[in-house]
Amino acid sequence: EIVLTQSPGTLSLSPGERATLSCRASQSVSGNYLAWYRQKPGQAPRLLIYYASSRATGIADRFSGSGSGTDFTLTISRLEPEDFAVYYCQQFGSSPWTFGQGTKVEIK
Amino acid sequence: EVQLVESGGGLVKPGGSLRLSCAASGFTFTNAWMNWVRQAPGKGLEWVGRIEGKADGGTADYAAPVKGRFTISRDDSKKTVFLQMNSLKTEDTAVYYCTTIITGRTWVDYWGQGTLVTVSS
Repeated sequence: EIVLTQSPGTLSLSPGERATLSCRASQSVSGNYLAWYRQKPGQAPRLLIYYASSRATGIADRFSGSGSGTDFTLTISRLEPEDFAVYYCQQFGSSPWTFGQGTKVEIK
Repeated sequence: EVQLVESGGGLVKPGGSLRLSCAASGFTFTNAWMNWVRQAPGKGLEWVGRIEGKADGGTADYAAPVKGRFTISRDDSKKTVFLQMNSLKTEDTAVYYCTTIITGRTWVDYWGQGTLVTVSS
């Protein structure tokens, strides 16, 4: 099973600042089948990025993903109020699929 | 409009069983891969399992904590996916989401509203 470790656990930033979130896999993610989700309080998650760097439908271009193999990054170029939430990475290249433990982006 | 509507959650004693349903509409269900994801109170997301679409063989796969206890099935005629949960444990207490991703030029995901399963004596 691939274990995904996200860091940091919590990121304290101000609106307009840049956020950089990390997701490290215990072994290489096949085909870069790595996704990122944002979950706002009380809501279901929403897909932001798939295949490590492709933006999902309707996702703002301030969100970008990068990385390959075992190291992946989600970057939010300028934080908007709705971006203060929890972010999860997920790998779907190897069975069983797995999620990281999440990174909370909070208002500083 | 795509909709996923879960039902069947509730309170069950340890060792008991429960069957969740997820009724889908607004997309081509037959070939869609359907997933179950759960979230324990105040915790992160946990992938439970998935079932492939008909064109890919319809095979189901499971996370280690539920393998052998949970079974995912689908009824394409009713556009419904099921999660049969047996031998329930207190650690299975969570909101269970049904979810799918529609692939194409770009991808978009859809989630149900979630249904709460509480395992307690």
